[in-house]
Amino acid sequence: QQQVKQSPQSLIVQKGGISIINCAYENTAFDYFPWYQQFPGKGPALLIAIRPDVSEKKEGRFTISFNKSAKQFSLHIMDSQPGDSATYFCAASISTSYGKLTFGQGTILTVHP
Amino acid sequence: NAGVTQTPKFQVLKTGQSMTLQCAQDMNHNSMYWYRQDPGMGLRLIYYSASEGTTDKGEVPNGYNVSRLNKREFSLRLESAAPSQTSVYFCASSEGGGRETQYFGPGTRLLVL
Repeated sequence: QQQVKQSPQSLIVQKGGISIINCAYENTAFDYFPWYQQFPGKGPALLIAIRPDVSEKKEGRFTISFNKSAKQFSLHIMDSQPGDSATYFCAASISTSYGKLTFGQGTILTVHP
Repeated sequence: NAGVTQTPKFQVLKTGQSMTLQCAQDMNHNSMYWYRQDPGMGLRLIYYSASEGTTDKGEVPNGYNVSRLNKREFSLRLESAAPSQTSVYFCASSEGGGRETQYFGPGTRLLVL
């Protein structure tokens, strides 16, 4: 039972384009939504995170949009670069549950030069 | 600082064999986690340790045991390996639970024949 559903599974974007990855969750108790970035052969690393009292958070070229009523959140990568090619995971947790993260299935992003 | 280290990097086991995956962190973090990563499944939490001296089950604990040896070290043991345990295993740590960032190790790739 996947509590966080992520799409698409893979995404190909041209350099300079916008990459969009979507996630939907079921558990309304989730109150922390991080995105992790993973390069081949490495462990995931935190990219950006949002709390449900905010509808949008931006850090450089990366933006999270959050829709609490729809139970959906998304990652937007503006001006995508070949160095952004990686696997991206959305995740969710309940802040009182000792940091137990529930991850989405992952999206393999390829940015062509 | 090395961050989170894992040993071994790669291991091949035969069905029924046992082994222990080692994890250590040098960030003085209280919480530690073990995840497995499988294609199309994202990362799934196996066990976690909210603080030294405590451990608890995650989403997929069957077939595994853990030991929080001290504040730095958190090991994962497979008592009788099965082909279904072929996966990439990641250890992570965080200062606490809640919304604290989790820092991941480089992973252990395990193949069970």
